[in-house]
Amino acid sequence: GENVEQHPSTLSVQEGDSAVIKCTYSDSASNYFPWYKQELGKRPQLIIDIRSNVGEKKDQRIAVTLNKTAKHFSLHITETQPEDSAVYFCAASNSGGYQKVTFGTGTKLQVIP
Amino acid sequence: SAVISQKPSRDICQRGTSLTIQCQVDSQVTMMFWYRQQPGQSLTLIATANQGSEATYESGFVIDKFPISRPNLTFSTLTVSNMSPEDSSIYLCSVAGESVDTQYFGPGTRLTVL
Repeated sequence: GENVEQHPSTLSVQEGDSAVIKCTYSDSASNYFPWYKQELGKRPQLIIDIRSNVGEKKDQRIAVTLNKTAKHFSLHITETQPEDSAVYFCAASNSGGYQKVTFGTGTKLQVIP
Repeated sequence: SAVISQKPSRDICQRGTSLTIQCQVDSQVTMMFWYRQQPGQSLTLIATANQGSEATYESGFVIDKFPISRPNLTFSTLTVSNMSPEDSSIYLCSVAGESVDTQYFGPGTRLTVL
């Protein structure tokens, strides 16, 4: 089955700096890569996603890149703000199947004011 | 996206008892999923709840321990049976959105087993 590795497990940045979280996946059939943000005590919220036919996607301060050859994808947050502090999960799925989503282990991001 | 609710939001239960968690969606959805999130950990898929047929369980999860019902396209239940302290977790339901491979999560049920 699919295996998703995520690094780093914790990340501290100064407010205004950029944060990068990296994930790798094992199943070359995976073609959909969502990112979720989970604030303390809250549900995971989808923040951005990318499909395998696209190399990069941006939404305001958030961007995701995908390298299918290397089976890498990354989340980039620019101009970080204290409200960006949360746990971020990457995930991978094969939408041709029954949509099983495999999650990474999570990155706890702390933005220091 | 769909509005998803779960009941109860939290519970404290005694060892050996069972708890049924409800998941309600405000629109009909084909795919519903149940996840477990142990403290400080990632999300692990327990099973996919299929309307009109038995749930599909992931490796390590069995129907006797986690029976699931899916009576219609807006509702599902997960029962945690014969609980032990190791079952203390957050249990989340999710549904597939209009873009079928995108999932949206309910608020979760925080279960503590004493």
